[in-house]
Amino acid sequence: EAGVTQSPTHLIKTRGQQATLRCSPISGHTSVYWYQQALGLGLQFLLWYDEGEERNRGNFPPRFSGRQFPNYSSELNVNALELEDSALYLCASSLWYRGSEQYFGPGTRLTVT
Amino acid sequence: GESVGLHLPTLSVQEGDNSIINCAYSNSASDYFIWYKQESGKGPQFIIDIRSNMDKRQGQRVTVLLNKTVKHLSLQIAATQPGDSAVYFCAERPGNQFYFGTGTSLTVIP
Repeated sequence: EAGVTQSPTHLIKTRGQQATLRCSPISGHTSVYWYQQALGLGLQFLLWYDEGEERNRGNFPPRFSGRQFPNYSSELNVNALELEDSALYLCASSLWYRGSEQYFGPGTRLTVT
Repeated sequence: GESVGLHLPTLSVQEGDNSIINCAYSNSASDYFIWYKQESGKGPQFIIDIRSNMDKRQGQRVTVLLNKTVKHLSLQIAATQPGDSAVYFCAERPGNQFYFGTGTSLTVIP
């Protein structure tokens, strides 16, 4: 069974640009989560989507947004990039009733210069 | 904001010994507590979770203990193996939020 996939693996942007990160969940999983993992810090919860709707978001500014498509894949958009947005962005998926048991992708490394 | 802390940032154990990784949490409203393992260059991997109405749960070679009185969570790994070397994160889930600690790096000495 295929795991969670993310693309691209690496992304380099300049300050002020927009970044789009993509995630495909495990087949059968309807919930998708996004996290930011900055160097030396733990995972910071960004967004949670289920059945195409945003269920909750963490303490991040509105320039972090996303959506979930009918096939349950998801994308994360980060507008007006700032240097401190440089981090590993992890996507996870779960069954809708097992939100604690999340399966993570390998992440997208975003570098803002 | 939430605070999920770990008592030790690094832990070294001999192969075959038992490992204990500790975690303190702050939100009494958390209904689930979760342990994840992250190997270098990979995404976190779910290990085990425990509901707030339980105080112990066992999995394959792992046991999670929850002490709500002192807001403490621990992960015990039996017969630690080299493949257990990784960073271990505890997390808590109050409602629809998820808060992760910064991790404990476990090194298994052959």
